[in-house]
Amino acid sequence: QKEVEQNSGPLSVPEGAIASLNCTYSDRGSQSFFWYRQYSGKSPELIMFIYSNGDKEDGRFTAQLNKASQYVSLLIRDSQPSDSATYLCAASTDSWGKLQFGAGTQVVVTP
Amino acid sequence: NAGVMQNPRHLVRRRGQEARLRCSPMKGHSHVYWYRQLPEEGLKFMVYLQKENIIDESGMPKERFSAEFPKEGPSILRIQQVVRGDSAAYFCASSRQGPNTEAFFGQGTRLTVV
Repeated sequence: QKEVEQNSGPLSVPEGAIASLNCTYSDRGSQSFFWYRQYSGKSPELIMFIYSNGDKEDGRFTAQLNKASQYVSLLIRDSQPSDSATYLCAASTDSWGKLQFGAGTQVVVTP
Repeated sequence: NAGVMQNPRHLVRRRGQEARLRCSPMKGHSHVYWYRQLPEEGLKFMVYLQKENIIDESGMPKERFSAEFPKEGPSILRIQQVVRGDSAAYFCASSRQGPNTEAFFGQGTRLTVV
């Protein structure tokens, strides 16, 4: 069983709509959770991190964490074509640099 | 923006050769992490280093792979006797002192073994 699992997609989202990405993790020792965006051929870029149960909002992005269900999600509101990328969910048990990544969900925003 | 610098960006090696990948962390960062991304897969943690110390190498293959972060100079990921299966993107990330500090990724080195 993979430690961090995501649907691979692609997730097709109309421009202006909400993209909803899901992630589950198996290690209950995971403390902090991260969403990275990766454009094709580029490096991962941190969008948000969350470590407390509940919601965390930053601009058009909202991360949600439910530790009891071992579930993390990312909502992207008012999706733009520039949001088309692969979104990587990651978890850490200690250092924020040592991360367990999911395989990523490809998001395609269609005009 | 003096971010995490990796070089070379692209590296082609024949089977059996050695590959050396370099990573210069961001200014003020003393922690370095190496990741490997195989085609169509997520990033896999390889090794965590601080200056002159390997902190965690639980993700490193047992053979042919080694990493260092000397007191002076960049961190080096070394792959000896490369095989086709080593073809991947290798990313380096760096962070400041302390466990709960964001790690920033470099642009990666794309290794192709022919």
